[in-house]
Amino acid sequence: DIVMTQSPDALAVPLGERATINCKSSQSVLNSSNNKNCLAWYQQKPGQPPKLLIYWASTRESGVPDRFSGSGSGTDFTLTISSLQAEDVAVYYCQQHYSTPLTFGGGTKVELK
Amino acid sequence: EAQLVESGGVLVQPGGSLRLSCAASEFTFSRYSMNWVRQAPGKGLEWVSYITSSSTTLFYAASVKGRFTISRDNAKNSLYLQMNGLRDEDTAVYYCARSVNWYFNLWGRGTLVTVSS
Repeated sequence: DIVMTQSPDALAVPLGERATINCKSSQSVLNSSNNKNCLAWYQQKPGQPPKLLIYWASTRESGVPDRFSGSGSGTDFTLTISSLQAEDVAVYYCQQHYSTPLTFGGGTKVELK
Repeated sequence: EAQLVESGGVLVQPGGSLRLSCAASEFTFSRYSMNWVRQAPGKGLEWVSYITSSSTTLFYAASVKGRFTISRDNAKNSLYLQMNGLRDEDTAVYYCARSVNWYFNLWGRGTLVTVSS
């Protein structure tokens, strides 16, 4: 099984500042058939289901604000919120979509400082 | 707007059985692979099971294999999860999720399953 490890567990960021969340996979999630990294990011607000933000490590889902960006390759990935807004307070999860069992990171709670 | 609505979550005793349903609307259900993902209270996300659009391929997490069965009825735009031999650790909100290339691009609001005596 591919183990996904997120860091930090939580972070507090001032309004308008940058938030950075890291995700590391226990093995490469690079799909050799299309040369894309199989890594997705989700946002979950309290009482709501998760919402897809990013897939293929850096492709933003339709309708997601461009302050959200994904980067990385192989085993190390980053979700960046360039200018944190109040509505971005949530828990963020990474997920590898390379192989079953599909696995998620433990989550990172983002709060306003 | 595409939507998934889960139902069937209740309080059930350990060892009991339950069948969850997920009704899909406003998209062509028969074209998509579907999944169940669960979240224990205050915990993270755990993928449970996957089924291809034509039901030809099924996958399960090790924690539920042999106890849970995923199925679908494309004529009824519905996804199901038959849960047998329920354990305390199966207590969670169960989400129905549509997948493309194994990432989840549409989620339902979930249904709560509580396993307790």
